[in-house]
Amino acid sequence: DAKTTQPNSMESNEEEPVHLPCNHSTISGTDYIHWYRQLPSQGPEYVIHGLTSNVNNRMASLAIAEDRKSSTLILHRATLRDAAVYYCILRDDYGQNFVFGPGTRLSVLP
Amino acid sequence: GAVVSQHPSWVICKSGTSVKIECRSLDFQATTMFWYRQFPKQSLMLMATSNEGSKATYEQGVEKDKFLINHASLTLSTLTVTSAHPEDSSFYICSAREATGISNYGYTFGSGTRLTVV
Repeated sequence: DAKTTQPNSMESNEEEPVHLPCNHSTISGTDYIHWYRQLPSQGPEYVIHGLTSNVNNRMASLAIAEDRKSSTLILHRATLRDAAVYYCILRDDYGQNFVFGPGTRLSVLP
Repeated sequence: GAVVSQHPSWVICKSGTSVKIECRSLDFQATTMFWYRQFPKQSLMLMATSNEGSKATYEQGVEKDKFLINHASLTLSTLTVTSAHPEDSSFYICSAREATGISNYGYTFGSGTRLTVV
């Protein structure tokens, strides 16, 4: 699976939007872009995933660049409960496990 | 949605003893389950892939005789840390994929087990 690059940490103020970037310049045509987050002392939680088109769900939005070499996870209004490590992971349709990088540690300030 | 239950959530054991961690898919059948380990301030590292009815596949550097994995049914996989030592203290997390699920969808993760060996 191709690698991803994310900033180590980001800060946001409560109730403001947050844009978490992810670079994946070596993404292949069959790689899906998955986002998971991990709250302290918990297992990872699915956030969103997409292939080419932008995606929205109740948790977040995923904006995928036209060349698919980067993507952005958008939390529309950050809350204190969104403080977590966010992982951007590529996996193709036939892939088995998820390979976790260091992720981005998001801090939300009240 | 799919739920994976992991038990216990935390355990403290003496050095040299064995500890069993259970991972159950509550509302779906899982042909494949994964076991991860996470040390403080680090990311998740895959330890092994567990397939129902067959032997687990271990990642390089993971001792199969120390970390025994059993996946006897479509809803249960267990990880036994044998002869635990303080360096085995870590956060262990399982994940499962639904047997009939679409593979490009995500997996469901358990809530993790904090193991402390004293």
